[in-house]
Amino acid sequence: GAGVSQSPSNKVTEKGKDVELRCDPISGHTALYWYRQSLGQGLEFLIYFQGNSAPDKSGLPSDRFSAERTGGSVSTLTIQRTQQEDSAVYLCASTYSGQGLGYTFGSGTRLTVV
Amino acid sequence: QKEVEQDPGPLSVPEGAIVSLNCTYSNSAFQYFMWYRQYSRKGPELLMYTYSSGNKEDGRFTAQVDKSSKYISLFIRDSQPSDSATYLCAKGGGGGADGLTFGKGTHLIIQP
Repeated sequence: GAGVSQSPSNKVTEKGKDVELRCDPISGHTALYWYRQSLGQGLEFLIYFQGNSAPDKSGLPSDRFSAERTGGSVSTLTIQRTQQEDSAVYLCASTYSGQGLGYTFGSGTRLTVV
Repeated sequence: QKEVEQDPGPLSVPEGAIVSLNCTYSNSAFQYFMWYRQYSRKGPELLMYTYSSGNKEDGRFTAQVDKSSKYISLFIRDSQPSDSATYLCAKGGGGGADGLTFGKGTHLIIQP
């Protein structure tokens, strides 16, 4: 596709439910990043994929968070047993290399836990 | 102390004014700096990046890095209402798993 696509764009869920957030990167981009943007907190780095591999998962806030990437393309961020503090905008970015330059961000998924 | 500090604003200036946006950083282990612009309900988009100290110009935008004082600036000349957005500075480390470290962003409002 022409850009990074994220779905859903908005998600309202009840506390305790599981949610899945999807990122479809630009075709051919090998590196994929997930960030979380909370009100007044800036962008928090969550996890990085090079191909299907995530070398470092230490940025994930808790063990309720997991992420996978299949076929070197689509990535899914899963949050289990959601809490109100998980409410934020979850942003995905992709790039050709892992050098951090040339990130293209999606428009994000706005998650609200009620 | 956050690695990248940025005043959240809001910063409100009249159309046509020169805008100065600033960040400070604490960790010298960097390779490059970037400025992103983020419109409401959109993802950030890359405006400029620079590897070295000094100035880099692109149209109405100038990025300035002072490594000795660990200070990053973005200047916008002839500001337009369409420049109203949140501006995020970011520091790049080794790339890959390091990701980028972002400031909180400065909300800029250009008054017509």
